[in-house]
Amino acid sequence: GENVEQHPSTLSVQEGDSAVIKCTYSDSASNYFPWYKQELGKRPQLIIDIRSNVGEKKDQRIAVTLNKTAKHFSLHITETQPEDSAVYFCAASRGNSGYSTLTFGKGTMLLVSP
Amino acid sequence: DVKVTQSSRYLVKRTGEKVFLECVQDMDHENMFWYRQDPGLGLRLIYFSYDVKMKEKGDIPEGYSVSREKKERFSLILESASTNQTSMYLCASTTPAEDSYEQYFGPGTRLTVT
Repeated sequence: GENVEQHPSTLSVQEGDSAVIKCTYSDSASNYFPWYKQELGKRPQLIIDIRSNVGEKKDQRIAVTLNKTAKHFSLHITETQPEDSAVYFCAASRGNSGYSTLTFGKGTMLLVSP
Repeated sequence: DVKVTQSSRYLVKRTGEKVFLECVQDMDHENMFWYRQDPGLGLRLIYFSYDVKMKEKGDIPEGYSVSREKKERFSLILESASTNQTSMYLCASTTPAEDSYEQYFGPGTRLTVT
């Protein structure tokens, strides 16, 4: 089955700095890669996703890049703010429809200091 | 707004008890999932369902069962609770769609087995 490795497990940055979280996956058939953010005491929520036919996707201060050859993808957050502090999970899926499951990484706790 | 609710936020049960965790979604989603979340281990899939009365094992089904008698409701059952099942349990739902495979999570149930 799919295996998703996520690094680092914790990341501390100063407000305004950039943060990068990296994930690798094992199943070359995986084609959908979402990122979820979970604030303390809250439920995980999708923040951005990318499909395997796209190399990069941006949404304001967040971006995701995908390297299919190397089987890794990364989340980039620019101009970090204290409200970006949360646990971030990457995931991978083989689904070409909604009938598929996600395999999650173990999570990265991002701490943004004012 | 998609709403996924879980029957309890906190639950304390004794070893050997039968435990029911309920999840309800109000968006007519076909797919529903149960995960457990443990520190340092991320989100691990226990069971999922693509339709009423249909269930599939996830990555860690041992010690659990599920029931889906109605489309909007997906129940997780611990037949005989054990201390190693102390965890945060998260339910999620999604619908197969061309443009989004977003999973919507419930608020979680923190189960303690003593």
